[in-house]
Amino acid sequence: DIQMTQSPASQSASLGESVTITCLASQTIGTWLAWYQQKPGKSPQLLIYGATSLADGVPSRFSGSGSGTKFSFKISSLQAEDFVSYYCQQLYSSPCTFGGGTKLEIK
Amino acid sequence: QVTLKESGPGILQTSQTLNLTCSFSGFSLNTSGMGVGWIRQPSGKGLEWLAHIWWDDVKRHNPALKSRVTISKDTSSSQVFLKIASVGTADSATYYCARIEDGYYGAMDYWGQGTSVTVSS
Repeated sequence: DIQMTQSPASQSASLGESVTITCLASQTIGTWLAWYQQKPGKSPQLLIYGATSLADGVPSRFSGSGSGTKFSFKISSLQAEDFVSYYCQQLYSSPCTFGGGTKLEIK
Repeated sequence: QVTLKESGPGILQTSQTLNLTCSFSGFSLNTSGMGVGWIRQPSGKGLEWLAHIWWDDVKRHNPALKSRVTISKDTSSSQVFLKIASVGTADSATYYCARIEDGYYGAMDYWGQGTSVTVSS
């Protein structure tokens, strides 16, 4: 199985700041990576697919980069609604494992 | 408009079989490149991928569940089913189904609202 190591598990930041979350894959996955946002009590929402492509309707302050085994997810100019949880997922091979998640908190 | 909705028993006893249904609209599993996956999330914890099924009936499941998982579909009724045998308290979670599309590198672009399952001993 491919392990996805996501860091940090939690991060404090201020409104307007930028934050970056990292996912490391235990083996190469090309660009078969997605990022999701999950608000409390809600279903996850797709933000990024193919490591770098923005899903429909997602604000441009969200971005993804990377390939192979190292991936990054960046939120530029944090808004109040961005302080929720984020997950990466590899889709290269089954089981399609998720990272452990990152919870963003307001500083 | 794509929608998915999960349904299940709510509460069941250990060693029973969990049967979940995902009813969807706005797309068809007769269409090349379409699939449906199941994911679960224990309260306060992260996401766990369970299984998925494609338009051509290719199926994959998470081996961590030791073959307790079965996924199937009824294309004519736009439903996908997940069965987990011999449940234990560790199977208590919110269960989600989601659409998968080849064009999105297999990412899950639409999700249901989730159904809560509690396994009682």
